[in-house]
Formats: sequence, C-alpha cells, structure tokens
Amino acid sequence: AQSVTQLGSHVSVSEGALVLLRCNYSSSVPPYLFWYVQYPNQGLQLLLKYTTGATLVKGINGFEAEFKKSETSFHLTKPSAHMSDAAEYFCAVRPTGTYKYIFGTGTRLKVLA
Amino acid sequence: DTEVTQTPKHLVMGMTNKKSLKCEQHMGHRAMYWYKQKAKKPPELMFVYSYEKLSINESVPSRFSPECPNSSLLNLHLHALQPEDSALYLCASSQASAGGSYNEQFFGPGTRLTVL
Repeated sequence: AQSVTQLGSHVSVSEGALVLLRCNYSSSVPPYLFWYVQYPNQGLQLLLKYTTGATLVKGINGFEAEFKKSETSFHLTKPSAHMSDAAEYFCAVRPTGTYKYIFGTGTRLKVLA
Repeated sequence: DTEVTQTPKHLVMGMTNKKSLKCEQHMGHRAMYWYKQKAKKPPELMFVYSYEKLSINESVPSRFSPECPNSSLLNLHLHALQPEDSALYLCASSQASAGGSYNEQFFGPGTRLTVL
C-alpha cells in the first residue's frame, strides 16, 4: 500500500533561514503529490502540487518543492523563513485511480526570532 | 468561489444526543470527503462521496452516518458518540477525476466537536 513518510515531526529554524521539510513516498509509480499547510484551529490549505513535466514546483508564500523520482522524494523548501510560516505541514499523496488521499504524519515548523 | 464552508464551528454534545455537521461548496466539485483529525495528528479519512454516491467508507462506526443530498452539500449525522470521538472534523471537496488528474482537495475550516 502507498505510504508517505515525513522525516522530523518538529523542525525549528531561525527567521530568515532556509526551510527544508522532507517527504518520501513509497510507490515506484509516482502518485499525485501535494503539500498542505495547517494553521492552528484551521483547515488545510494547499501550498503546491506536483504535475508532470516540471520537477521543481512553485507554490504559494514562497514555497517550492522538488520532485526526485530516483529518490521517491518531494521535499518542501523556502529560502527564507518568516514568522508567519510557523504551522503544521503535511505531505500527501493520491495513488492513481483512487479518491483516497494519504497524508504523512506532519511536520510542525517553528520559526525562531 | 473557492471556499468550503462548515457549520457549526464548535459543537458540544452528550453521548445520547443526535446532531449533524454540515458542509457546503459551490465550486462544482463532485467529490466530497469527511476527515477526522485528532490533535497533533494528520487527518484520517472517514468517507468519500463521488457524484453523490458513497464510494469510500473507511470502516467508520455506524454512529457516524454521512449523507450527500446534492452535489453541493455533505452532512455527517452523529448519534450516540463516545468521548474519544472528540476531534476536529474536516470536510473537503475536489474535482471528481479519480482516474488521472492532479486535483487537489479544498478543505473547510472544520467543526471542533466535543463529546461529554
């Protein structure tokens, strides 16, 4: 069965530092890939999604993700963290042919002043 | 309009009560979802409706009863819940193209449910 692994349940970075949140998926056939952000007591908001033809995907709020098929990874980055980036981040996959979205366990990002 | 709305925002109920959660979207999405989310955990899929028909039930206890009366509305009827059912209940919607597309889900803000 398809699975998603997010390494690091908590990540702390200084304001202005690089943000790197890791996501690996388990299938040899790339599923549909997504990153969502969740602020406290809110729903999930899409940051970006992978579509074929572009290994580097740009999203909202300055976030990017790079799809690496050989590493089955879809890591999320942002060059310079802002205090407002503090939130929970979820990587999600949707295997082809299904409506079932599978979420990783999440990474809580803390931004230090 | 890219919004999914959920009512109520907060709900407190006793174990013998019957209540309903409501979700609405006007994006023309034909797939709608219910998730349960416990604190510091990812959302857990409960139900999926596609074209107003139940297509996925993740072995959810019968005290949760979903309903999709039309393409814009999704309800979750609650009866005889347990305290461990207290959680954030999220509704989402997406384009209904399971076969091959990159359709993302749009989430509502959730209903915070407390069962006493």
